[in-house]
Amino acid sequence: DADVTQTPRNRITKTGKRIMLECSQTKGHDRMYWYRQDPGLGLRLIYYSFDVKDINKGEISDGYSVSRQAQAKFSLSLESAIPNQTALYFCATSDLRLDRNEQFFGPGTRLTVL
Amino acid sequence: RKEVEQDPGPFNVPEGATVAFNCTYSNSASQSFFWYRQDCRKEPKLLMSVYSSGNEDGRFTAQLNRASQYISLLIRDSKLSDSATYLCAVLEHNAGKSTFGDGTTLTVKP
Repeated sequence: DADVTQTPRNRITKTGKRIMLECSQTKGHDRMYWYRQDPGLGLRLIYYSFDVKDINKGEISDGYSVSRQAQAKFSLSLESAIPNQTALYFCATSDLRLDRNEQFFGPGTRLTVL
Repeated sequence: RKEVEQDPGPFNVPEGATVAFNCTYSNSASQSFFWYRQDCRKEPKLLMSVYSSGNEDGRFTAQLNRASQYISLLIRDSKLSDSATYLCAVLEHNAGKSTFGDGTTLTVKP
């Protein structure tokens, strides 16, 4: 079983709809992240969380919100989706206790907003 | 100027070639450095961390130059299976988050 899972894997929605992307991890890591990836633009950080009570904005948080329901779960919401939020979304985890603090990514959610 | 910059390529090389990627970073407080590999439409996966003294893993060699603020990845004897996008990432431990480059695309041809 995958250590970091994301649901749904693909989603097509319409402008103005509220969408929630979910991320779960079994790695026991304290830190979780949401990124979006657009063609040719690499990974851009949306939000990140160091524990259940800690939520931080990334470089492109406008139009998004998050919820850290438990150490293992971190959800990303688009309150009113717009077409330029069409992208590939990745959740990731890391653990500062690990020597190098690398990130482990989920398989991604491909979101299309019409 | 982006915090982390990579040559986007694409790099098209024949099998067996040696290819090098560079990545520059602007935050002098960066403390950990990584190369990730991303196959088309898949998630990035750690290829190797980059240590101050340089490190090697088989055909892959990573180097760090703190004075000039860049990291590099050298791939020797390229294989078809090396075709992918390579992302560099830098981490400032105090901030606790990594910044990624936009990636360099490599295609290895027969």
